[in-house]
Amino acid sequence: DQQVKQNSPSLSVQEGRISILNCDYTNSMFDYFLWYKKYPAEGPTFLISISSIKDKNEDGRFTVFLNKSAKHLSLHIVPSQPGDSAVYFCAASEGSGTYKYIFGTGTRLKVLA
Amino acid sequence: EAGVVQSPRYKIIEKKQPVAFWCNPISGHNTLYWYLQNLGQGPELLIRYENEEAVDDSQLPKDRFSAERLKGVDSTLKIQPAELGDSAVYLCASSPSGAGELFFGEGSRLTVL
Repeated sequence: DQQVKQNSPSLSVQEGRISILNCDYTNSMFDYFLWYKKYPAEGPTFLISISSIKDKNEDGRFTVFLNKSAKHLSLHIVPSQPGDSAVYFCAASEGSGTYKYIFGTGTRLKVLA
Repeated sequence: EAGVVQSPRYKIIEKKQPVAFWCNPISGHNTLYWYLQNLGQGPELLIRYENEEAVDDSQLPKDRFSAERLKGVDSTLKIQPAELGDSAVYLCASSPSGAGELFFGEGSRLTVL
């Protein structure tokens, strides 16, 4: 049972435009969410997180939106740059110190110059 | 600050052979994770340590996999004997105790022939 789903395996976006990566989850107990970026042959690197007490968190070009009622979160990258081309994973956990993160299957973003 | 260090980066072995992976977490990080990442999938938790105690090993296939974290710092993950289906990337991550984001190493890619 996939508790965290990224239904788009890949996405192509023109440089300078907005990239929107989506993530859905099924466990209503999840209350902490993260996005990671992964380049080939490297480990995932942390991008941005959001707690369930918020519906938006912004860090530079990256914004994460959380819709708890829909059990959906999205990562917006504006403007997209060729260096953003990577695989993006969302992850979720039940808080309270467990920090047992469940990862989605990833979305490969390609930003075209 | 040095990141999470893993070795070896790549390992090729025959099936039924043993293999071991080593991880040195970021200094001061009490929590250490081992994740398995199959091709095209997100990382899946194998085991989580708080200091030297394994607090979550429910996903670790204990018939062939073992892990240890002596002195609460470095950790070793062992597979004996390896099977063809164990071919994957083994990721180590660490975090400060009780904090959110995980810091990943570059991973150890295992190929079982």
